[in-house]
Amino acid sequence: LAKTTQPISMDSYEGQEVNITCSHNNIATNDYITWYQQFPSQGPRFIIQGYKTKVTNEVASLFIPADRKSSTLSLPRVSLSDTAVYYCLVASYSSASKIIFGSGTRLSIRP
Amino acid sequence: SAVISQKPSRDICQRGTSLTIQCQVDSQVTMMFWYRQQPGQSLTLIATANQGSEATYESGFVIDKFPISRPNLTFSTLTVSNMSPEDSSIYLCSAGQGQNQPQHFGDGTRLSIL
Repeated sequence: LAKTTQPISMDSYEGQEVNITCSHNNIATNDYITWYQQFPSQGPRFIIQGYKTKVTNEVASLFIPADRKSSTLSLPRVSLSDTAVYYCLVASYSSASKIIFGSGTRLSIRP
Repeated sequence: SAVISQKPSRDICQRGTSLTIQCQVDSQVTMMFWYRQQPGQSLTLIATANQGSEATYESGFVIDKFPISRPNLTFSTLTVSNMSPEDSSIYLCSAGQGQNQPQHFGDGTRLSIL
């Protein structure tokens, strides 16, 4: 039963790199780590998913250490439009796995 | 990724009534889920909608209050029964292929109970 812990809020400036870390000490062997972005009045939007090491796509990178007890979402050169709530989710969708969203990190980007 | 459409997008209902929320996916998916999200808070899983069988409910949620249907691999409904003001919330549908594939979300139904 993986539970995630994230910072409640973060502030940054346009053009900076932002790193949001999620702690998941009880992650199970079959669990994957997924990050979502949510704007007001919208559903969460998939950003990136990984199992271990590093994953990169066109919008973000995900760093997962060998023990998999934490993960870091990296957003390169943020803009004002990246202001949103970011959720870390750890789950495997197996019958024995629970889906529990963390409290999310409210990221505010300033000019 | 799958595109998920929810109807209605919002509604205002009288206490004691019931509302059915529809979730349509543009492709066949293995798994569909229903969540509740209070404004400014995180998502809480209500249940997993199983095609051809009864939904699997999380602790604190019961079938009599939140009956769910899933008649095929692209559609599901969630009914909020005998509504009270405490049921005012955002209800979200998501879908995915399981097997560690990410789930994708609709934009939710914002429900207010008077």
